[in-house]
Amino acid sequence: GAVVSQHPSWVICKSGTSVKIECRSLDFQATTMFWYRQFPKKSLMLMATSNEGSKATYEQGVEKDKFLINHASLTLSTLTVTSAHPEDSSFYICSARMSEAIADTQYFGPGTRLTVL
Amino acid sequence: AQSVSQHNHHVILSEAASLELGCNYSYGGTVNLFWYVQYPGQHLQLLLKYFSGDPLVKGIKGFEAEFIKSKFSFNLRKPSVQWSDTAEYFCAVNAYGNNRLAFGKGNQVVVIP
Repeated sequence: GAVVSQHPSWVICKSGTSVKIECRSLDFQATTMFWYRQFPKKSLMLMATSNEGSKATYEQGVEKDKFLINHASLTLSTLTVTSAHPEDSSFYICSARMSEAIADTQYFGPGTRLTVL
Repeated sequence: AQSVSQHNHHVILSEAASLELGCNYSYGGTVNLFWYVQYPGQHLQLLLKYFSGDPLVKGIKGFEAEFIKSKFSFNLRKPSVQWSDTAEYFCAVNAYGNNRLAFGKGNQVVVIP
């Protein structure tokens, strides 16, 4: 149980285009989903917290208009990188929590490798 | 905000050797502590976690970690590693009542057969 999927697993796009990444909880309902960015040889950096039916909460320094997050249902959150540029190239990972329990665990998706040419 | 430190980013050891990875965090309040593992080409998986109770936590695949509150540490250990333990290991912390996980930079562990 507790499987999280991401689609696509990798994407290459031209500079200036927008890319949408999906994150799904396959066998549970996720009240909260998280989006992370991972740079080579560096840690995961939390970008935003997404709650179903409400606006995402972005971390300091993350551009809301650049990284659009939609959490339309309890099993799906999407991250859209708008007008992507080469510096947006990275590994994007989502995670999901089952409940609002204080001590609940996050389950991670396999990640999406974005390369912007 | 909490921060997490992991030292010795690259660790190379032989099979059957013992492994210990250090994790220190900076946050004065109650915390939840996690170790995640990322095998080559795979996604992050939970290895073990500490929320409360016995500070010595046993996880999957023979791993354990000890929470030492006075040292703000949550070190990961395995007495005898196998080649299949080659992976990247991440320590993560969230403050009690806070969703947001802070990750360390990870330890790249290579086990030589």
